[in-house]
Amino acid sequence: SQQGEEDPQALSIQEGENATMNCSYKTSINNLQWYRQNSGRGLVHLILIRSNEREKHSGRLRVTLDTSKKSSSLLITASRAADTASYFCATQGGSEKLVFGKGTKLTVNP
Amino acid sequence: EAGVAQSPRYKIIEKRQSVAFWCNPISGHATLYWYQQILGQGPKLLIQFQNNGVVDDSQLPKDRFSAERLKGVDSTLKIQPAKLEDSAVYLCASSSWGGPGGLAFFGQGTRLTVV
Repeated sequence: SQQGEEDPQALSIQEGENATMNCSYKTSINNLQWYRQNSGRGLVHLILIRSNEREKHSGRLRVTLDTSKKSSSLLITASRAADTASYFCATQGGSEKLVFGKGTKLTVNP
Repeated sequence: EAGVAQSPRYKIIEKRQSVAFWCNPISGHATLYWYQQILGQGPKLLIQFQNNGVVDDSQLPKDRFSAERLKGVDSTLKIQPAKLEDSAVYLCASSSWGGPGGLAFFGQGTRLTVV
């Protein structure tokens, strides 16, 4: 069964705008990870946030984690056409089982 | 460092035939995952290995799917016999085993079409 659930399922924005994607999960985790997948390609990891962290930054990416609400958000600032892709959250527990959500399809229009 | 290698990239077979996929993880990575990704959906974990032992195979349809990891390195995933609903991209990923976990590195996947 899927652990994470991303919201929204699809998001369309203009270049330069910010994009926010949310992820909710059900059970306790060791960490939560975000991945990007370009059409027809493999997944690429973006960022990992551990259960004892609340916020993490990497370039134009900002991830937050609220373990009390079992939710995370991914913010992409100043989006570019090249950011067009599907974005997935994945949760990881003690056995290192990595479970993905259904993803958010982001379209950045030039 | 070399990435995760998968082959073949594409495969078309008829239903009831058998097929095998191969994965070579990043050198030194103890954890290996196989995922099935149906078009428009997120990856679904089929099986997770640590070295050559199975950690989780709860979602592997064991009546038709099998997987092994030879000497804790390369892995093969087999489907026998294939069904139409097995049409999907099969992704292999690896990560280094380390305490609270780590990022997974994915191969390009094998796109299977069952006709």
